[in-house]
Amino acid sequence: EAGVAQSPRYKIIEKRQSVAFWCNPISGHATLYWYQQILGQGPKLLIQFQNNGVVDDSQLPKDRFSAERLKGVDSTLKIQPAKLEDSAVYLCASSLRRITSGGETQYFGPGTRLLVL
Amino acid sequence: QKEVEQNSGPLSVPEGAIASLNCTYSDRGSQSFFWYRQYSGKSPELIMSIYSNGDKEDGRFTAQLNKASQYVSLLIRDSQPSDSATYLCAAIKAAGNKLTFGGGTRVLVKP
Repeated sequence: EAGVAQSPRYKIIEKRQSVAFWCNPISGHATLYWYQQILGQGPKLLIQFQNNGVVDDSQLPKDRFSAERLKGVDSTLKIQPAKLEDSAVYLCASSLRRITSGGETQYFGPGTRLLVL
Repeated sequence: QKEVEQNSGPLSVPEGAIASLNCTYSDRGSQSFFWYRQYSGKSPELIMSIYSNGDKEDGRFTAQLNKASQYVSLLIRDSQPSDSATYLCAAIKAAGNKLTFGGGTRVLVKP
């Protein structure tokens, strides 16, 4: 079974530029998550999709970040314009169903390492 | 106060010894808890989940949960150099669906 795919793996941009990340979840997984992991910290959930609908985007900086999952499969996360503090690893994860009280596993992709100069 | 807190470490453990990792959480509504291992430059991978008070064992790993004390721990027995990684504790509320991670504890197992 193929895992969660992400691209690009690395990206270096200058502040105020825009950037986009792509994620393809495990086949059949209805739930997709985007996390931001700053160096030395745990992952922080940015947005969660259930099929193509947004379940939770409470921690997404909506003035600069956007995400979509139009056909309920792959997803893109965009930052425009980027700030220095956006330098982080952006992790995509998927699960078969929504995680509720337990019994569901999230599988993480390899991540995209973003450096904003 | 962070929702999930861990000592950042590093926790230095000699090979063959027991590594003991601790995690506390602030929200009493949290019902399920997870331990992830993250090697440097890699993505997190799930190693244990625990939902009920008490101990849960899986191979060399034992997770312990005490909801009254709002405390989760992970024991790694017979620690190996390959166990050197950052261990992330995560919690989820019963009524929610968001996984909240702690900052992670870095473990170094020395041969």
